[in-house]
Amino acid sequence: DQQVKQNSPSLSVQEGRISILNCDYTNSMFDYFLWYKKYPAEGPTFLISISSIKDKNEDGRFTVFLNKSAKHLSLHIVPSQPGDSAVYFCAALWAGSYQLTFGKGTKLSVIP
Amino acid sequence: KAGVTQTPRYLIKTRGQQVTLSCSPISGHRSVSWYQQTPGQGLQFLFEYFSETQRNKGNFPGRFSGRQFSNSRSEMNVSTLELGDSALYLCASSAQGGVSYNEQFFGPGTRLTVL
Repeated sequence: DQQVKQNSPSLSVQEGRISILNCDYTNSMFDYFLWYKKYPAEGPTFLISISSIKDKNEDGRFTVFLNKSAKHLSLHIVPSQPGDSAVYFCAALWAGSYQLTFGKGTKLSVIP
Repeated sequence: KAGVTQTPRYLIKTRGQQVTLSCSPISGHRSVSWYQQTPGQGLQFLFEYFSETQRNKGNFPGRFSGRQFSNSRSEMNVSTLELGDSALYLCASSAQGGVSYNEQFFGPGTRLTVL
């Protein structure tokens, strides 16, 4: 039972354009969502998060949108840069839980 | 501030053996989580420790165990290794765990290969 789903294993985007990475979840108890970026041979690094009481959170070029009714969130990267090429993981948890549930990741390739 | 360190970085074992992996969290962090990353399953939660207590455990068989010491360092052990245990094992630390995971830092991982 996959509670956090990233249905696109890969995504290619031209440099300077917008990258949109999507994530769906099934567990209504989740109330906190995070995005991580992972380069090969390194551990994931935290990118941006959003609480379920918000529908948008922005940090520089990165914006996360949350649609609770659709149980869907998305990460927008504008403008995309070659250094953004990495695997992006969506993760979720609920308050009082100490278990992060991850999606399987989306490999983003930004083409110069 | 030093990051999360994991030892060893690479390990090759044979089926039936056991293995112990080590994780040293960032100084001051008391929560340590372990994850298994495989190509087909992504990152899967193994367990989380806080102040030497296991607070949550993922859906893994009892062959997977862990512990945390008073200095917050953590070890995980896998007994009777199977080929399917070949994976990247990641450790992550945060101050409190839970919603402080926006301040969770991952180590580089231990690449375990079971032959």
